Amino acid sequence: EVQLLESGGGLVQPGGSLRLSCAASGFTFSSYAMSWVRQAPGKGLEWVSAISGSGGSTYYADSVKGRFTISRDNSKSTLFLQMNSLRAEDTAVYYCGRGNYENYYYYYAMNVWGQGTTVTVSS
Amino acid sequence: QSALTQPASVSGSPGQSITISCTGTNSDVGGYNYVSWYQHHPGKAPKLMIYDVSSRPSGLSNRFSGSKSGNTASLTISGLQPEDEADYYCSSYTTRTTLVFGGGTKLTVL
Repeated sequence: EVQLLESGGGLVQPGGSLRLSCAASGFTFSSYAMSWVRQAPGKGLEWVSAISGSGGSTYYADSVKGRFTISRDNSKSTLFLQMNSLRAEDTAVYYCGRGNYENYYYYYAMNVWGQGTTVTVSS
Repeated sequence: QSALTQPASVSGSPGQSITISCTGTNSDVGGYNYVSWYQHHPGKAPKLMIYDVSSRPSGLSNRFSGSKSGNTASLTISGLQPEDEADYYCSSYTTRTTLVFGGGTKLTVL
């Protein structure tokens, strides 16, 4: 069964750091681009970042550029999101998603999603 | 990057058809055939309904269809069913190699 499982969320103070993980199973992880998408309380979905299958290309929303870093370990079928200098507005449920095609660079649509992990930034 | 524009809410009765619009610019919706639509029930994972403007994932009901004209994409749901009640989001690839979502539309099945 194709599956994504996020972990690493929690409560962190403003200015702090957190590292999210997304464990993949049931498919050839390295063949797919992956993304992070978040949803703040009472708000809509917001794309955060994407990474190519090899990890050689990364893409970021302006709201997180310079603070967040996306990476992947294809040997462990795991996607990461390192979040630094966290702000209250980063409070959200964070989802990882798999690109729709078995194409290293296709991150334009996501057909497999995890259940999300909650990040709360508050003092 | 501003969010794509969607109506906040739409409604319809069972069996009817509804259309949700998604308006962007030449730099996103109008510039690429990479518009997607997602169904999202609160507390659950989003579900891909349409990709590449009008393609349906394998196994998805053909009651769902997508189209695009200029800078506006549309999702049409025909034969509305109670289980279609959810939030719907469009997204598009942009010239800045980012993705942008719409603000979301709450569909109510009366």
